[in-house]
This record gives sequence, structure tokens and C-alpha cells, in this order.
Amino acid sequence: GAVVSQHPSRVICKSGTSVKIECRSLDFQATTMFWYRQFPKQSLMLMATSNEGSKATYEQGVEKDKFLINHASLTLSTLTVTSAHPEDSSFYICSALQAGGPYSYNEQFFGPGTRLTVL
Amino acid sequence: TQLLEQSPQFLSIQEGENLTVYCNSSSVFSSLQWYRQEPGEGPVLLVTVVTGGEVKKLKRLTFQFGDARKDSSLHITAAQPGDTGLYLCAGRASGTYKYIFGTGTRLKVLA
Repeated sequence: GAVVSQHPSRVICKSGTSVKIECRSLDFQATTMFWYRQFPKQSLMLMATSNEGSKATYEQGVEKDKFLINHASLTLSTLTVTSAHPEDSSFYICSALQAGGPYSYNEQFFGPGTRLTVL
Repeated sequence: TQLLEQSPQFLSIQEGENLTVYCNSSSVFSSLQWYRQEPGEGPVLLVTVVTGGEVKKLKRLTFQFGDARKDSSLHITAAQPGDTGLYLCAGRASGTYKYIFGTGTRLKVLA
């Protein structure tokens, strides 16, 4: 199956700093990637849809100036958490959509996640 | 806003027992997926169902998509400790690539 990587896997930062998380599709091109966040013992909440070469589409209630998304190439999307605060601590997961693959329904493949802890 | 409610939220059973997890919505989905997630890892896709009434089997797991494509179920036969994890359904409405995740079911299978 297709592989999606995330970097870093864990990050601890001080309050007020910015943190960048990378999501890469390793063996396929992804025009669309998704960013999710997951709080402990909860489900995944979709934050935004990242489209290569255009602006990301944010879900209701997600601050676009707080969570900057850049999808500069067909294999890389980045999520930058700006001026991070302790309430931003969470598990951030990306997924990449393999369009035009062997499936008619466009399967998405998930990265392993990034654990962000803001002190 | 589409909502996918899963039940039960938590389930603790003995090895060898059977169980069913339900995923319900008032919305119609063009496809629905089931995932299992281990702590600290990303979700792993188990199955995708796209046709109303469709039934798919994956070893001891049986997945069914409702006739109206608004609900789904996951049945596990003879559960094993290795089945322990967070089970998530995710639905996609037609005309969009977005998948909305269900509320999750945390399963623990005791040896």
C-alpha cells in the first residue's frame, strides 16, 4: 500500500513558539491531503483540506491564521501551528488521497501522526 | 454538519466472545470506511464499502453497509486480544473527498 510519513513524530515546544509538521506521500502523488487533530481518547477531527497549488479549505471553527497549511508540491504538505499554546497540545495526523489509483473511490492513506506538547 | 455516532463507546470483553460495533448517521454517504487505531499511531484502513447492503469479510471481521447508505456495522467473531484498539468509521458524502470520522469505539479484549 501507499506510504505516508510525518515529521517530526514528537515535538515539545515552549508556549508562543511556532511548530511546523511535514506530511509526505512517499510513493505516490497526492493533490489532496487532509489534516486532523485528535485529543486523548477521542476520535479524529478534520481540521482542513490541503490542495496542491491552492489555498487550504478549513473546517468550521478552525483558525486559518493559527494553523497555516502549505501544499507546495504533489508529495508534501506542511502544517504550521503558530504561536502555540498548551491548549494546542494534541496528536496531529495527516492523510493523503491517492487519486487515480486502482480504487474508484480514491483511497486515503494516513501518516503515523505527530504528538505536539506545548509547555 | 454530518455526524457519525458509534456505539458502544467502550467495550470490554473476554477472548472468544463476539461483538458488533455500530456506526449511524442521518446523512447518506457515497462510501464508508472502517479503521483501527493503536495508541500513538495513525489509523489503519480495514475496509471500504460503497454499495448499499454491501457485506465484506476480512478474516473474523464482517462489515456491512446499510441499504440506505446511512449506517454500517462491524462484527467481530471470536475476538482476540490482538483486536484491542480504537475502531473508527469514516463516511464520505458524494461530491467531496472529505471523510468525516465517527465518535469511535474503544475495544479491549481480555485474555
